Amino acid sequence: AQSVTQLGSHVSVSEGALVLLRCNYSSSVPPYLFWYVQYPNQGLQLLLKYTSAATLVKGINGFEAEFKKSETSFHLTKPSAHMSDAAEYFCAVSDRSGAGGTSYGKLTFGQGTILTVHP
Amino acid sequence: DGGITQSPKYLFRKEGQNVTLSCEQNLNHDAMYWYRQDPGQGLRLIYYSQIVNDFQKGDIAEGYSVSREKKESFPLTVTSAQKNPTAFYLCASSMGGGRAQYFGPGTRLLVL
Repeated sequence: AQSVTQLGSHVSVSEGALVLLRCNYSSSVPPYLFWYVQYPNQGLQLLLKYTSAATLVKGINGFEAEFKKSETSFHLTKPSAHMSDAAEYFCAVSDRSGAGGTSYGKLTFGQGTILTVHP
Repeated sequence: DGGITQSPKYLFRKEGQNVTLSCEQNLNHDAMYWYRQDPGQGLRLIYYSQIVNDFQKGDIAEGYSVSREKKESFPLTVTSAQKNPTAFYLCASSMGGGRAQYFGPGTRLLVL
């Protein structure tokens, strides 16, 4: 079974500071990994995805994430926070192989991290 | 523009009433999904469909029903058996095989 743990349900940074949102996963097979962002009362927007090409993945809005197999981590970073980055962020893992039977193609989401950006 | 549409944006349900949430996609995706989102509980999978005329229960299917008669459409019915339906409902689609899911704008269901 897959699982995702996002460390810290709330993260607060100052505008211009580094953003680091942590995600650790467990998966019995090579995973696909994703980060999504959700603004209030809206759907989820895909920020970036890891699909076994480069381990450093660049996404939209200046975000990037690094896949570290040895640490089973996929942390999301942005060098300089902007007020518009304030939102909730979700890490997700999927079983690409289909070996999970009924779990084939399903995403498992973390509980989410709310990012607050202070002026 | 390709994308996923959900309607209505807000939906009110009376006691004992069934209501249907619409989800349409024009991305030519095979797989479609319904999630329920409650504060502090992340996203929970209700139903998913990998192909037309086929669907599977997710983690919290009780009190819900779906159909997949067309590739583009995956409506969700919240039945009167769902005793706590107040939540934000999100529809998603993907090419399947664990690839990225793309989400609609959501429907907020409230109980009168």
